Amino acid sequence: EVQLVESGGGLVQPGRSLKLSCVASGFTFNNYWMTWIRQAPGKGLEWVASITNTGGSTYYPDSVKGRFTISRDNAKSTLYLQMNSLRSEDTATYYCTRDDVHYGLDYWGQGVMVTVSS
Amino acid sequence: DIQMTQSPSTLPASLGERVTINCRASRGISNNLNWYQQKPDGTIKRLIYYTSNLQSGVPSRFSGSGSGTDYSLTISSLEPEDLAMYYCQQYASSNTFGAGTKLELK
Repeated sequence: EVQLVESGGGLVQPGRSLKLSCVASGFTFNNYWMTWIRQAPGKGLEWVASITNTGGSTYYPDSVKGRFTISRDNAKSTLYLQMNSLRSEDTATYYCTRDDVHYGLDYWGQGVMVTVSS
Repeated sequence: DIQMTQSPSTLPASLGERVTINCRASRGISNNLNWYQQKPDGTIKRLIYYTSNLQSGVPSRFSGSGSGTDYSLTISSLEPEDLAMYYCQQYASSNTFGAGTKLELK
């Protein structure tokens, strides 16, 4: 059974940093791209970052480029999202997803809440 | 960027009713479209992939169709557990989602 378990969320002040983790199990982690998606309270879903299966390439939308960094440790089957210079508009639930490149996002974690507020 | 316009935003329906949710892409996405269900506790699962393929374990009352820029999700007979939010997503170019449809009881 595919499982994705996020952690690391919480309350953080504007301008500070936070690092999310996602531990994967139930599949061969290094065979898959991985993607972070977020959802602001009461809003829709927004793509945040993607990483290839080897970690050799990463992709971001303009809204987080230069502030967020996606990375992975294939030996630990763990995905990360380093978030710097956080803003109030980054407040959201962050979901870790498995990215089947041919057919999109097939499995989602339960999500972790990040609140950016003073 | 490809924009996804999803309609309706809210869909009141009765149990046993056939319901359809629509998504229109700002340009052709070559069937690279998925449908997701989000329950009130935040849990998200994929229902349909590549326009019309049923995800394993998803009831057969769910179906998807479409081509080019226009796509739809149909539930043939609404069950209580289907009351949820539904999102379309294109993955032809990056990832973008529709704004969502809240399926509620009439």
